[in-house]
Amino acid sequence: DTEVTQTPKHLVMGMTNKKSLKCEQHMGHRAMYWYKQKAKKPPELMFVYSYEKLSINESVPSRFSPECPNSSLLNLHLHALQPEDSALYLCASSQELRRDSGRETQYFGPGTRLLVL
Amino acid sequence: SQQGEEDPQALSIQEGENATMNCSYKTSINNLQWYRQNSGRGLVHLILIRSNEREKHSGRLRVTLDTSKKSSSLLITASRAADTASYFCATDARTGRRALTFGSGTRLQVQP
Repeated sequence: DTEVTQTPKHLVMGMTNKKSLKCEQHMGHRAMYWYKQKAKKPPELMFVYSYEKLSINESVPSRFSPECPNSSLLNLHLHALQPEDSALYLCASSQELRRDSGRETQYFGPGTRLLVL
Repeated sequence: SQQGEEDPQALSIQEGENATMNCSYKTSINNLQWYRQNSGRGLVHLILIRSNEREKHSGRLRVTLDTSKKSSSLLITASRAADTASYFCATDARTGRRALTFGSGTRLQVQP
């Protein structure tokens, strides 16, 4: 199984809502990532988990809260978002033979298209 | 500033032609990777080239790496309409944060 799955595919939420994005992989990868991508732009790294520990937080606002319940799952909890947070949110994973080792091939999910009204 | 910059930003060619995209970066790297993204979808890994390699092939793809010039190129030969996508280079820097840095991307349009 070389797939990263993300749910939901699409999400529309108001600025007062609380929602969660979910990501799952069963490749035994020990690094998982959240990226945000605006139209016609490259993915921007938000968070990196390595061996279920938060390794990198790219100064992301606290209205985005990541969670890694186990090595296969990654969540992104959303609360009080702004319209400018509307974007494609991508999850990825990579093998990571040892904690915070070099970044090898990343496997991406199809993304969640988020619209904040 | 962004580690990887790509040119051209957009490229339009006819089916059967070759497409060449370039990526420049600023710091020493462990490896450089190329990814493809169809519109509104996730990224798909194409090829990884390590800092001690100069050229790599995978099917119709040829990647070169020149660490002295801090640049890489991706060549797609005999392009097909299905190759229409955005292509991103990504670098794994030797020092600093342990994360890939993506270039700005090249949008390739292959006309049938």
